[in-house]
Amino acid sequence: EEQLLESGGDLVQPGGSLRVSCAASGFIFSNYAMTWVRQAPGKGLEWVSTINGGGYNTYYADSVKGRFTISRDNSKNTMYLQMNSLTAEDTAVYYCANHPTGTAYFDYWGQGMLVTVSS
Amino acid sequence: SALTQPRSVSGSPGQSVTLSCTGDSGDVGDYDQVSWYQQHPGKAPKLMIYDVTERPSGVPDRFSGSKSGNTASLTISGLQAEDDADYYCCANAGGSYVFGAGTKVSVL
Repeated sequence: EEQLLESGGDLVQPGGSLRVSCAASGFIFSNYAMTWVRQAPGKGLEWVSTINGGGYNTYYADSVKGRFTISRDNSKNTMYLQMNSLTAEDTAVYYCANHPTGTAYFDYWGQGMLVTVSS
Repeated sequence: SALTQPRSVSGSPGQSVTLSCTGDSGDVGDYDQVSWYQQHPGKAPKLMIYDVTERPSGVPDRFSGSKSGNTASLTISGLQAEDDADYYCCANAGGSYVFGAGTKVSVL
């Protein structure tokens, strides 16, 4: 059974940094692109970033470009999101999701974790 | 920019409802890669339709998708109480992805 488990969500001060993780199991991790999607409180879904199966192609939403870095360690079946220069607008539930390489849909989602940026 | 979805749609059990999702030639119109997600309160989204018309295993066949030009649609035939949820469309925008703001489906 496919499983995705996010961890590392926390309360961070504006301007601060946070690294969150997504641990995968139940599928061949390196065969899947991985994506972060976030949802601000009471709002809709927002695509954040995607990394391909090999980890050498990365894509970012304009709202996070230059501040967030997506990466993965296929030996650990884990994806990461390094978030810098955080603002209140980054407060959201962050979901990780997988999609088979070459596809453009998010097949399975983690349960999400809350990142709160506040002083 | 975000795809355009109606804020809410409602119907009685057994009725059919259709949700629209309008983009432009850079996303919905250019690629047959529109997906739909169902989200119940406090839960993670769930894939319902991918590649415009394809249904993952386990998704009831009362859910169907289509596309015409820059507008994709999700039809729920024979509404059931458990279909009461938020629905989001998503389109490939050439290396990035764009979501709609979501449609709240209320089963009366």
